[in-house]
Amino acid sequence: DAGVIQSPRHEVTEMGQEVTLRCKPISGHDYLFWYRQTMMRGLELLIYFNNNVPIDDSGMPEDRFSAKMPNASFSTLKIQPSEPRDSAVYFCASSSRGGYNEQFFGPGTRLTVL
Amino acid sequence: AQSVTQPDIHITVSEGASLELRCNYSYGATPYLFWYVQSPGQGLQLLLKYFSGDTLVQGIKGFEAEFKRSQSSFNLRKPSVHWSDAAEYFCAVAPRYNNNDMRFGAGTRLTVKP
Repeated sequence: DAGVIQSPRHEVTEMGQEVTLRCKPISGHDYLFWYRQTMMRGLELLIYFNNNVPIDDSGMPEDRFSAKMPNASFSTLKIQPSEPRDSAVYFCASSSRGGYNEQFFGPGTRLTVL
Repeated sequence: AQSVTQPDIHITVSEGASLELRCNYSYGATPYLFWYVQSPGQGLQLLLKYFSGDTLVQGIKGFEAEFKRSQSSFNLRKPSVHWSDAAEYFCAVAPRYNNNDMRFGAGTRLTVKP
């Protein structure tokens, strides 16, 4: 398996623009997680899905952020409109049986909002 | 409040020397405990985890960790460090009632001197 795939790897955009980050989990995994990593706040869980259904989105910072998982092999994290403070590395991770098993992380998307 | 603390931001050791990275947690009940490693530009990789049972846990790459309930600690150790171990190390915890809600420490950056 290719592991968790994220695209793009780097994204530079201007304030106010819409940003869409993409994730393809490992085939067969039923849990998908989105994290954000910043120097100030470290690594934070934003939202996670089980069988394509959002279970806990309490970590989503505000309404500008939204996440979807239309099928078992694809998820998106959208920021609209983007702000400079959204600049961070966004990781997607997947696992089988949730927290009982290892979360496999993707390489991350480095987002810079100018 | 629930928290996980890694007291050391940066540690430098010589190649071949032993290593201990500290992790302390504050939770109502013993959570699930994890150590992850992040190499530059990469996602996180699980080194080891503790759910229950033997308090000394063996992981990949020659790492081990010891759970000490009395000290609320889960320190990571390696008897002989290799240059390839240079990376960022994260301790993470997840409550037993929701083991998908994983919280990460701030990380410890390890530098290995030749």
